Amino acid sequence: QKEVEQNSGPLSVPEGAIASLNCTYSDRGSQSFFWYRQYSGKSPELIMFIYSNGDKEDGRFTAQLNKASQYVSLLIRDSQPSDSATYLCAVRSNTDKLIFGTGTRLQVFP
Amino acid sequence: GAVVSQHPSWVICKSGTSVKIECRSLDFQATTMFWYRQFPKQSLMLMATSNEGSKATYEQGVEKDKFLINHASLTLSTLTVTSAHPEDSSFYICSGNGRVDFEQYFGPGTRLTVT
Repeated sequence: QKEVEQNSGPLSVPEGAIASLNCTYSDRGSQSFFWYRQYSGKSPELIMFIYSNGDKEDGRFTAQLNKASQYVSLLIRDSQPSDSATYLCAVRSNTDKLIFGTGTRLQVFP
Repeated sequence: GAVVSQHPSWVICKSGTSVKIECRSLDFQATTMFWYRQFPKQSLMLMATSNEGSKATYEQGVEKDKFLINHASLTLSTLTVTSAHPEDSSFYICSGNGRVDFEQYFGPGTRLTVT
């Protein structure tokens, strides 16, 4: 079992819709979770991080964490074509390292 | 805030030569910096973790004598690819860890092509 799992996609949503990206992790002791966005040919960009159960909102983005079920999700409201990218979920290991999933490719069509 | 720069952004070199890539945290001090490699359409692969003033810790399968890492200060880490070969052609990305919750801020990456 991979440590951090994501559906590779692509996830296609129409402009203006809510995009829902999911991630599961295997280490029940994980404490911190991160979402990154990576455009093709570019490096990852931090969107937000979360470490408490529940929701955390930042603009059009909402991260949701459920430690009991070992999943973390990212909701993007009012999706725009410019949101089309690969979204990487990462979990902090018991060292400083982040364990990344393979990413979900999101396509927002007009 | 939390800006990381890399230089050069792209480089082409001949097989057998060495290439140095610089990574700088511009507006924060990164006690730990990370070096990743990413091949086309593949996920990030962590190569090594470097802490200021100490030896880097390499991931399994990464040759430490080939990928030399130096973390001389809290704002500068360098990766030197020695005796580069075409199979070393890749996108190399560094990151520095922030202070809130070990979040990592990535540099823009360096695209290396070895001919």
